[in-house]
Amino acid sequence: DQQVKQNSPSLSVQEGRISILNCDYTNSMFDYFLWYKKYPAEGPTFLISISSIKDKNEDGRFTVFLNKSAKHLSLHIVPSQPGDSAVYFCAASGRSGGSYIPTFGRGTSLIVHP
Amino acid sequence: DAGVIQSPRHEVTEMGQEVTLRCKPISGHDYLFWYRQTMMRGLELLIYFNNNVPIDDSGMPEDRFSAKMPNASFSTLKIQPSEPRDSAVYFCASSFYGGASMGGYTFGSGTRLTVV
Repeated sequence: DQQVKQNSPSLSVQEGRISILNCDYTNSMFDYFLWYKKYPAEGPTFLISISSIKDKNEDGRFTVFLNKSAKHLSLHIVPSQPGDSAVYFCAASGRSGGSYIPTFGRGTSLIVHP
Repeated sequence: DAGVIQSPRHEVTEMGQEVTLRCKPISGHDYLFWYRQTMMRGLELLIYFNNNVPIDDSGMPEDRFSAKMPNASFSTLKIQPSEPRDSAVYFCASSFYGGASMGGYTFGSGTRLTVV
């Protein structure tokens, strides 16, 4: 059973517009959330994160929103650029056995058209 | 630092053969993770080590899979015998202190395994 769900396998957006990638989780013990970005033939790289004590974290064009009551988070990219085309993985973690080991979703493939 | 280094980048093998994937973590990182990426399941954690000791191997799909970390700078993931359903991209990652906070995971570039 998937504890972290990214229900949209793909998303297509025009350059300059907003991209919104969604993620839902089921485990109420999760208290830290991350987004990773992956280009073809490369490993995932860290993009942005948010702790459960916040509901928003912003880093340049990237903003992550967290709605704990709905167990939902989203990644907003504004404005979207062709170089943002990649697979985006949502991950969630909670302290277990003294360490935070995240659970990843299946990923959403974002295509930004020029 | 050269980052997490995985080899080979691509592996094509016949069903029934043994496959060994290799990983060199970032020096000083005390956690090492093996993940598998498939379209159906996304990024699955197979096993992770802390200070070279396997901590959780509950994600290893079958007894055909085994992983070792003989020292702090080297780990292997072995599949014996391999099957077509093992075809996937296998990633190794390393971090400090479990590393999820502050996005502390560094992934390698992966090994694309194809079993025919």
